[in-house]
Amino acid sequence: EAGVTQFPSHSVIEKGQTVTLRCDPISGHDNLYWYRRVMGKEIKFLLHFVKESKQDESGMPNNRFLAERTGGTYSTLKVQPAELEDSGVYFCASSQRLTSGGKETQYFGPGTRLLVL
Amino acid sequence: QKEVEQDPGPLSVPEGAIVSLNCTYSNSAFQYFMWYRQYSRKGPELLMYTYSSGNKEDGRFTAQVDKSSKYISLFIRDSQPSDSATYLCAMSPTGGSYIPTFGRGTSLIVHP
Repeated sequence: EAGVTQFPSHSVIEKGQTVTLRCDPISGHDNLYWYRRVMGKEIKFLLHFVKESKQDESGMPNNRFLAERTGGTYSTLKVQPAELEDSGVYFCASSQRLTSGGKETQYFGPGTRLLVL
Repeated sequence: QKEVEQDPGPLSVPEGAIVSLNCTYSNSAFQYFMWYRQYSRKGPELLMYTYSSGNKEDGRFTAQVDKSSKYISLFIRDSQPSDSATYLCAMSPTGGSYIPTFGRGTSLIVHP
């Protein structure tokens, strides 16, 4: 079974440019999460999709970040315009829809390393 | 005060040693406790999880939760060089659909 994939693996852009990150979850997983790790800090939650709907976007830093999940399959996270503080590793994770009383296991992708100069 | 505190290390041990990794937390609502392992250039991988207090064992790994002290531990017995990775603790208020709060991770190096 293929795991969660993310593209690109690395991105170096200049301040003010736009970058779009892509995440392909494990097939059949309804839940899709975006996280970010800034250097030296903890992994922080950004948002959660259930299929194509945004369930929780309380972790999105500001309106320069836009996440979409058209058709409930892959997801994109666009940063426009990028700022220096947006640098970090962006992780995507997916999990199956929970059954009653079930435990959720999130499977993480390898991350996209973003550097804004 | 951060919700989850974890010493980033690095922690360097010889092969075969018993490793103890720890986290403290401040949120009494946390009920679901997880340990992730992350190899270099990879994403975090769920290693173990426990619900509420107590111990859980899986092979060479034992997870302990002491809710009275707000302290969780991961023990690795007979450590191997392949255990060298960053270990992240994470926790959340519920055992169902959850958003984990992560620690910074502890870098573990097991040398032959």
